[in-house]
Amino acid sequence: AQSVTQLDSQVPVFEEAPVELRCNYSSSVSVYLFWYVQYPNQGLQLLLKYLSGSTLVKGINGFEAEFNKSQTSFHLRKPSVHISDTAEYFCAVLEKLTFGTGTRLTIIP
Amino acid sequence: GAVVSQHPSWVICKSGTSVKIECRSLDFQATTMFWYRQFPKQSLMLMATSNEGSKATYEQGVEKDKFLINHASLTLSTLTVTSAHPEDSSFYICSTGTSDIYEQYFGPGTRLTVT
Repeated sequence: AQSVTQLDSQVPVFEEAPVELRCNYSSSVSVYLFWYVQYPNQGLQLLLKYLSGSTLVKGINGFEAEFNKSQTSFHLRKPSVHISDTAEYFCAVLEKLTFGTGTRLTIIP
Repeated sequence: GAVVSQHPSWVICKSGTSVKIECRSLDFQATTMFWYRQFPKQSLMLMATSNEGSKATYEQGVEKDKFLINHASLTLSTLTVTSAHPEDSSFYICSTGTSDIYEQYFGPGTRLTVT
């Protein structure tokens, strides 16, 4: 069985500050990990994915995530956030795409 | 990436009635589409996999007679919630499968409220 845990349901951050959104997973098969972003009134968009290789994955909009097998984590980071980053962020694991409960990132101007 | 639309974006219906939700792949021929349901404060849960021209595959615990899925063309899949009840109130999201099995394109979702 596989599952994803996003402990933070909401994360408020000041504009231009760094942010980390946490994701922990469990999977009994090969690990493929994803971060999706959902802007208001839009569908989910793929931010980045880890399939294999380098544990540091860079995605769109300046986001990156690091796969840590020993800690079963795949935390999402951005060094400096912008107002336009306000959205809901979902971590997910494959085989069957299994999502976390999401983290609402709110940028404070 | 592919553009996926859903219609309607929001629907309110009375208990006992049926509601149809459309999912369209606007610029991509999708042989496979997925239907998810998301309850408030919960994660997206896969309900079923829809394959063009064949019967949908439902996840365990999802009633196929209640959630009717039709994927009659490469650009359209529909989900019909039959005899809806208040507990069916949820956010329904579709996505298209691609040749890259690790990537799906998602629609904006449909919020269903059953009164």
